[in-house]
Amino acid sequence: EPEVTQTPSHQVTQMGQEVILRCVPISNHLYFYWYRQILGQKVEFLVSFYNNEISEKSEIFDDQFSVERPDGSNFTLKIRSTKLEDSAMYFCASSLGLGEYNEQFFGPGTRLTVL
Amino acid sequence: AQKVTQAQTEISVVEKEDVTLDCVYETRDTTYYLFWYKQPPSGELVFLIRRNSFDEQNEISGRYSWNFQKSTSSFNFTITASQVVDSAVYFCALTPGVGAGKSTFGDGTTLTVKP
Repeated sequence: EPEVTQTPSHQVTQMGQEVILRCVPISNHLYFYWYRQILGQKVEFLVSFYNNEISEKSEIFDDQFSVERPDGSNFTLKIRSTKLEDSAMYFCASSLGLGEYNEQFFGPGTRLTVL
Repeated sequence: AQKVTQAQTEISVVEKEDVTLDCVYETRDTTYYLFWYKQPPSGELVFLIRRNSFDEQNEISGRYSWNFQKSTSSFNFTITASQVVDSAVYFCALTPGVGAGKSTFGDGTTLTVKP
């Protein structure tokens, strides 16, 4: 069965550094998402992306975050200047589209540790 | 607005006991998907089941079973004859079936199965 993949599985960075988290959604999917889970808390929506633009974002997704689909396969989340509180699991998800095809498939996550 | 409530924060059982994890949801959508995920200590989200709003059939998969009742907006998960390996955090989630909407997760239930 096709799956969403994410790299790296674990990223350690210094506060203030930029990080890019990478995702490869399922190949024929059109909608892409990032979610965040701070340790011990629930999974929270960050942003959704369709047709090369953001379709919805949460209040967490401030100016230090950006997303991009640089080519036909990757979907990236960039954090420009990481803070300690950005330490979390980041999950990418994708879906085929609307209606009955809106099931979201989640990747295994990237654990980001900001020191 | 969507909401998922997992009222049980933590459950502790002894091996071989049956355990039910509750999930209650709120949505104005007539079409939606419900999910259960298992999150082991390693952090990835392990997909367990998806159910669409038009399919109220209960499902059994090995020791796992799910009871979906639209009348009470509940989608409960039962593990029969629990095992130590079932120890994890379990999340219930809701995704709209129309539009590219975000998934809403419950707070999770931490299940500890003691030998």
